[in-house]
Amino acid sequence: DTAVSQTPKYLVTQMGNDKSIKCEQNLGHDTMYWYKQDSKKFLKIMFSYNNKELIINETVPNRFSPKSPDKAHLNLHINSLELGDSAVYFCASSLRAPGNEKLFFGSGTQLSVL
Amino acid sequence: KQEVTQIPAALSVPEGENLVLNCSFTDSAIYNLQWFRQDPGKGLTSLLLIQSSQREQTSGRLNASLDKSSGRSTLYIAASQPGDSATYLCAVGDNDMRFGAGTRLTVKP
Repeated sequence: DTAVSQTPKYLVTQMGNDKSIKCEQNLGHDTMYWYKQDSKKFLKIMFSYNNKELIINETVPNRFSPKSPDKAHLNLHINSLELGDSAVYFCASSLRAPGNEKLFFGSGTQLSVL
Repeated sequence: KQEVTQIPAALSVPEGENLVLNCSFTDSAIYNLQWFRQDPGKGLTSLLLIQSSQREQTSGRLNASLDKSSGRSTLYIAASQPGDSATYLCAVGDNDMRFGAGTRLTVKP
């Protein structure tokens, strides 16, 4: 069983489209995250949710909207996709509050905006 | 704002060699420091987590040290193997996890 699973693994789309990436964790963790890894492989946090509540929202365009229906799921919806959104997006989870626990990562979603 | 730097950016060693990867951070007010491994096309796997009150952690051939006062951590890999080839990232935890850009390690047979 995959601890943190995200779908799809690859996403190729046109500029201007709206797309979603789904993430689920079966570890019973309270906190989930979205990270973006750019072409230089630099990993940067986008959002952090603790028990379905947003606790971190880095400087991310409001075209990106996370949704947490329950604490096991954190989906990422992106409106009006731009070329610069092309990157690998990673979902992650930890037992409790951010910064204090081991992080478990999904395998990533490679988004290509054409 | 916390900044995390990893040196070198890439490292190539022959099999069997011991090696050290370096990580430095600017703000010593951290909860912990984690070392991760990332294989191409894959997610990150947590290798070691050092709490701020600890000086080091060991797992098998891996040993990570933490010196908060100087803002440094090292990951020591003993008797390297080709299977150790991957990108190694360190991340410091304060209000969230801040990552370095990674060191790409190649271990040649």
